[in-house]
Amino acid sequence: KQEVTQIPAALSVPEGENLVLNCSFTDSAIYNLQWFRQDPGKGLTSLLLIQSSQREQTSGRLNASLDKSSGRSTLYIAASQPGDSATYLCAVRQDSGGSNYKLTFGKGTLLTVNP
Amino acid sequence: DARVTQTPRHKVTEMGQEVTMRCQPILGHNTVFWYRQTMMQGLELLAYFRNRAPLDDSGMPKDRFSAEMPDATLATLKIQPSEPRDSAVYFCASGLTGSSYTFGSGTRLTVV
Repeated sequence: KQEVTQIPAALSVPEGENLVLNCSFTDSAIYNLQWFRQDPGKGLTSLLLIQSSQREQTSGRLNASLDKSSGRSTLYIAASQPGDSATYLCAVRQDSGGSNYKLTFGKGTLLTVNP
Repeated sequence: DARVTQTPRHKVTEMGQEVTMRCQPILGHNTVFWYRQTMMQGLELLAYFRNRAPLDDSGMPKDRFSAEMPDATLATLKIQPSEPRDSAVYFCASGLTGSSYTFGSGTRLTVV
Protein backbone atom coordinates (compact mmCIF):
# COMPACT_ATOMS: atom_id res chain seq x y z
CA LYS A 1 0.00 0.00 0.00
CA GLN A 2 1.37 3.37 -1.04
CA GLU A 3 2.15 5.80 1.75
CA VAL A 4 3.04 9.45 1.19
CA THR A 5 4.86 11.48 3.81
CA GLN A 6 5.48 15.21 3.81
CA ILE A 7 8.11 16.89 5.93
CA PRO A 8 7.99 19.30 7.64
CA ALA A 9 4.36 19.37 8.77
CA ALA A 10 4.63 23.15 9.24
CA LEU A 11 7.12 25.77 8.16
CA SER A 12 7.37 29.48 8.94
CA VAL A 13 9.77 31.69 6.98
CA PRO A 14 10.38 35.40 6.44
CA GLU A 15 9.34 36.96 3.16
CA GLY A 16 11.91 36.67 0.37
CA GLU A 17 13.39 33.39 1.53
CA ASN A 18 13.82 30.44 -0.80
CA LEU A 19 12.39 27.23 0.61
CA VAL A 20 12.02 23.52 -0.06
CA LEU A 21 9.13 21.25 0.79
CA ASN A 22 9.69 17.52 0.84
CA CYS A 23 7.55 14.57 -0.17
CA SER A 24 8.45 10.90 0.05
CA PHE A 25 6.54 7.82 -1.09
CA THR A 26 7.05 4.16 -0.26
CA ASP A 27 6.26 2.53 -3.61
CA SER A 28 8.37 3.90 -6.45
CA ALA A 29 6.15 2.41 -9.17
CA ILE A 30 4.27 5.63 -9.78
CA TYR A 31 2.58 6.98 -12.91
CA ASN A 32 2.88 10.63 -11.90
CA LEU A 33 3.15 12.98 -8.95
CA GLN A 34 1.17 16.15 -8.41
CA TRP A 35 1.67 19.12 -6.09
CA PHE A 36 -1.39 21.01 -4.87
CA ARG A 37 -1.99 24.14 -2.86
CA GLN A 38 -4.90 24.49 -0.44
CA ASP A 39 -5.94 27.78 1.12
CA PRO A 40 -7.92 27.68 4.40
CA GLY A 41 -11.51 26.62 3.82
CA LYS A 42 -10.92 26.19 0.09
CA GLY A 43 -10.43 23.40 -2.39
CA LEU A 44 -7.19 22.17 -3.88
CA THR A 45 -5.43 23.98 -6.68
CA SER A 46 -3.07 21.98 -8.88
CA LEU A 47 0.39 23.55 -9.06
CA LEU A 48 2.59 21.11 -10.93
CA LEU A 49 2.26 17.64 -12.44
CA ILE A 50 5.36 15.52 -13.01
CA GLN A 51 5.09 12.39 -15.12
CA SER A 52 7.16 9.39 -14.01
CA SER A 53 9.53 9.85 -16.95
CA GLN A 54 10.26 13.47 -16.03
CA ARG A 55 12.78 14.84 -13.54
CA GLU A 56 11.29 18.26 -12.91
CA GLN A 57 8.64 20.79 -13.79
CA THR A 58 8.68 24.56 -13.41
CA SER A 59 5.97 27.17 -13.17
CA GLY A 60 6.99 30.70 -12.32
CA ARG A 61 8.70 30.72 -8.92
CA LEU A 62 7.86 27.05 -8.35
CA ASN A 63 10.05 24.12 -9.30
CA ALA A 64 9.20 20.50 -8.52
CA SER A 65 11.67 17.67 -8.87
CA LEU A 66 11.11 13.93 -8.90
CA ASP A 67 13.52 11.13 -8.03
CA LYS A 68 11.33 8.11 -8.61
CA SER A 69 13.91 5.48 -7.71
CA SER A 70 14.46 6.95 -4.25
CA GLY A 71 10.79 7.76 -3.74
CA ARG A 72 11.23 11.52 -3.31
CA SER A 73 9.96 14.78 -4.65
CA THR A 74 10.72 18.34 -3.64
CA LEU A 75 8.85 21.57 -4.25
CA TYR A 76 11.13 24.59 -4.39
CA ILE A 77 9.61 28.02 -3.90
CA ALA A 78 11.84 30.94 -4.81
CA ALA A 79 11.60 34.40 -3.25
CA SER A 80 8.63 33.50 -1.05
CA GLN A 81 5.78 35.99 -0.56
CA PRO A 82 3.04 36.27 2.07
CA GLY A 83 0.56 35.20 -0.61
CA ASP A 84 2.34 31.83 -0.76
CA SER A 85 1.01 31.03 2.71
CA ALA A 86 -1.11 27.90 2.39
CA THR A 87 -0.99 24.14 2.84
CA TYR A 88 0.95 22.32 0.15
CA LEU A 89 -0.04 18.75 -0.64
CA CYS A 90 1.79 16.08 -2.56
CA ALA A 91 -0.12 13.26 -4.27
CA VAL A 92 1.00 10.24 -6.26
CA ARG A 93 -0.82 8.15 -8.80
CA GLN A 94 0.22 4.51 -8.87
CA ASP A 95 1.39 2.82 -12.05
CA SER A 96 -0.76 -0.28 -12.41
CA GLY A 97 -0.59 -0.73 -16.14
CA GLY A 98 -2.68 2.38 -16.68
CA SER A 99 -5.74 1.06 -14.87
CA ASN A 100 -5.31 2.86 -11.56
CA TYR A 101 -6.33 6.50 -11.59
CA LYS A 102 -6.60 7.40 -7.93
CA LEU A 103 -4.27 9.76 -6.06
CA THR A 104 -2.74 9.00 -2.67
CA PHE A 105 -2.10 12.16 -0.69
CA GLY A 106 0.35 13.20 1.96
CA LYS A 107 -0.97 15.18 4.91
CA GLY A 108 0.58 18.39 3.69
CA THR A 109 2.98 21.09 4.81
CA LEU A 110 1.46 24.24 6.29
CA LEU A 111 3.56 27.15 5.04
CA THR A 112 3.47 30.59 6.62
CA VAL A 113 5.42 33.41 4.98
CA ASN A 114 5.80 36.36 7.31
CA PRO A 115 5.98 39.94 5.93
CA ASP B 1 -11.64 28.72 -16.44
CA ALA B 2 -13.51 25.41 -16.31
CA ARG B 3 -14.26 24.24 -12.81
CA VAL B 4 -15.79 21.44 -10.78
CA THR B 5 -18.99 22.60 -9.07
CA GLN B 6 -20.12 21.10 -5.77
CA THR B 7 -23.37 21.67 -3.93
CA PRO B 8 -24.17 22.43 -1.21
CA ARG B 9 -21.10 24.28 0.09
CA HIS B 10 -22.16 23.73 3.68
CA LYS B 11 -24.56 21.26 5.28
CA VAL B 12 -25.55 20.85 8.91
CA THR B 13 -27.78 17.91 9.67
CA GLU B 14 -28.92 15.81 12.55
CA MET B 15 -27.62 12.33 13.16
CA GLY B 16 -29.68 9.76 11.31
CA GLN B 17 -30.71 12.06 8.47
CA GLU B 18 -29.95 11.41 4.82
CA VAL B 19 -27.37 13.66 3.16
CA THR B 20 -26.86 14.02 -0.59
CA MET B 21 -23.90 15.87 -2.05
CA ARG B 22 -23.70 16.73 -5.74
CA CYS B 23 -20.87 17.36 -8.14
CA GLN B 24 -20.77 18.67 -11.69
CA PRO B 25 -17.45 17.61 -13.22
CA ILE B 26 -15.71 19.56 -15.95
CA LEU B 27 -17.27 18.84 -19.32
CA GLY B 28 -15.28 16.20 -21.15
CA HIS B 29 -13.48 14.84 -18.11
CA ASN B 30 -13.93 11.07 -17.95
CA THR B 31 -12.68 10.35 -14.42
CA VAL B 32 -14.52 11.58 -11.31
CA PHE B 33 -13.43 11.17 -7.70
CA TRP B 34 -14.93 11.62 -4.25
CA TYR B 35 -12.47 12.41 -1.44
CA ARG B 36 -13.05 13.13 2.23
CA GLN B 37 -10.78 15.42 4.23
CA THR B 38 -10.44 15.47 8.02
CA MET B 39 -7.79 16.91 10.28
CA MET B 40 -6.84 13.48 11.59
CA GLN B 41 -6.82 11.44 8.38
CA GLY B 42 -6.11 14.04 5.73
CA LEU B 43 -7.50 13.32 2.25
CA GLU B 44 -8.96 9.84 1.79
CA LEU B 45 -10.38 8.44 -1.42
CA LEU B 46 -13.96 7.26 -1.06
CA ALA B 47 -14.84 6.26 -4.62
CA TYR B 48 -14.16 7.03 -8.25
CA PHE B 49 -15.68 6.57 -11.68
CA ARG B 50 -14.24 6.28 -15.13
CA ASN B 51 -16.55 6.89 -18.07
CA ARG B 52 -19.35 6.84 -15.46
CA ALA B 53 -18.54 3.28 -14.37
CA PRO B 54 -17.56 2.79 -10.72
CA LEU B 55 -13.95 1.60 -10.55
CA ASP B 56 -13.15 1.63 -6.86
CA ASP B 57 -15.31 2.27 -3.82
CA SER B 58 -13.18 0.38 -1.33
CA GLY B 59 -12.66 3.51 0.77
CA MET B 60 -16.36 3.97 1.37
CA PRO B 61 -18.37 2.51 4.29
CA LYS B 62 -20.81 0.62 2.13
CA ASP B 63 -23.48 0.16 4.75
CA ARG B 64 -24.24 3.88 4.76
CA PHE B 65 -22.49 5.52 1.80
CA SER B 66 -23.36 5.26 -1.86
CA ALA B 67 -21.90 7.00 -4.90
CA GLU B 68 -23.49 7.21 -8.31
CA MET B 69 -23.00 8.92 -11.62
CA PRO B 70 -26.40 9.03 -13.32
CA ASP B 71 -25.02 10.97 -16.28
CA ALA B 72 -21.79 12.59 -17.43
CA THR B 73 -22.68 15.91 -15.86
CA LEU B 74 -23.61 14.74 -12.37
CA ALA B 75 -22.02 12.66 -9.63
CA THR B 76 -23.70 12.13 -6.26
CA LEU B 77 -22.54 10.97 -2.86
CA LYS B 78 -25.21 9.92 -0.41
CA ILE B 79 -24.96 9.12 3.30
CA GLN B 80 -27.89 7.35 4.95
CA PRO B 81 -28.06 7.40 7.92
CA SER B 82 -25.51 10.08 8.74
CA GLU B 83 -23.40 9.91 11.91
CA PRO B 84 -21.30 12.53 13.74
CA ARG B 85 -18.10 10.79 12.61
CA ASP B 86 -19.06 11.61 9.01
CA SER B 87 -18.40 15.28 9.71
CA ALA B 88 -15.71 16.33 7.24
CA VAL B 89 -15.14 18.21 4.01
CA TYR B 90 -16.09 16.16 0.96
CA PHE B 91 -14.33 16.98 -2.28
CA CYS B 92 -15.17 16.01 -5.82
CA ALA B 93 -12.46 16.05 -8.49
CA SER B 94 -12.40 15.33 -12.20
CA GLY B 95 -9.74 14.77 -14.82
CA LEU B 96 -8.53 13.08 -17.98
CA THR B 97 -6.03 10.25 -18.22
CA GLY B 98 -2.49 11.53 -17.80
CA SER B 99 -3.55 15.05 -16.90
CA SER B 100 -3.79 16.86 -13.61
CA TYR B 101 -7.00 16.55 -11.63
CA THR B 102 -9.23 19.55 -10.81
CA PHE B 103 -10.89 19.73 -7.42
CA GLY B 104 -14.13 21.42 -6.47
CA SER B 105 -14.45 23.74 -3.49
CA GLY B 106 -15.90 20.99 -1.31
CA THR B 107 -18.98 20.41 0.82
CA ARG B 108 -18.41 20.98 4.52
CA LEU B 109 -20.66 18.52 6.35
CA THR B 110 -21.46 18.77 10.04
CA VAL B 111 -23.54 16.03 11.63
CA VAL B 112 -24.84 16.89 15.10
